[in-house]
Amino acid sequence: QKEVEQNSGPLSVPEGAIASLNCTYSDRVSQSFFWYRQYSGKSPELIMSIYSNGDKEDGRFTAQLNKASQYVSLLIRDSQPSDSATYLCAAQDSSYKLIFGSGTRLLVRP
Amino acid sequence: DGGITQSPKYLFRKEGQNVTLSCEQNLNHDAMYWYRQDPGQGLRLIYYSQIVNDFQKGDIAEGYSVSREKKESFPLTVTSAQKNPTAFYLCASRGQGIYEQYFGPGTRLTVT
Repeated sequence: QKEVEQNSGPLSVPEGAIASLNCTYSDRVSQSFFWYRQYSGKSPELIMSIYSNGDKEDGRFTAQLNKASQYVSLLIRDSQPSDSATYLCAAQDSSYKLIFGSGTRLLVRP
Repeated sequence: DGGITQSPKYLFRKEGQNVTLSCEQNLNHDAMYWYRQDPGQGLRLIYYSQIVNDFQKGDIAEGYSVSREKKESFPLTVTSAQKNPTAFYLCASRGQGIYEQYFGPGTRLTVT
C-alpha cells in the first residue's frame, strides 16, 4: 500500500527560527510532491510543489526532494506565529491521485 | 472571481438520512476530487472524476455516490450505508496538464 509518513508533532520553534518539516513516501513511482498548509478548521492551501531532486525556493519556503531516499522536506525560514498550522505532505501517483500524510502540527512561539 | 465553492459550510443530519454535498468550480478544470478528513488525520480519497460523465472510486468509496453531469459540478451523496459519516468533506480540482490540486473551503457534516 502506498503511504506517506509524517511526524505528527507538534514541532515547536521560536519566532525567527527555521522550521524543518519532514516526510517519507513508499511509492517509488511518485514523481510529484506537494506541501499544503492547513489552519485549524480550514481547508488545505497549496504552498509548494516539487518534481525534481534538489531544492526549490519560494520566499521563506524551501522544499527539498531526494527521490533515492524517498524523502521530502519543507523548510520555513524566519518562522512567524502566523505560520502555526498543520502542514500536509502529499505524493502524487501515476493516476494523478494524491496520497496524503497525516500532517505535522507546527507551533511558532512569539 | 475564479474558485471552488462548497455548500453548505456546516450540515447536520439525522442518522439514516441521505445527504448531498455540493461542489462547484469555475476554473475550467477537468478533474475533480472528493476527500474526507477525520480529526488529526490526513485526507482520504472518496471519489474522483477526470472528465465529464466518468468517475472512479477512491480508497474509501463505500457508502458514498457521485455524479459528473457537468464539468463545473461534482456533487457527493453520503448515503445511510456510510457507517461513520461525521467528518470534514473537501472537494478539489485540477486543470488539464497541471499536477496541482486546489481545494474548496469544505463542508463539515455532523450526523447524529
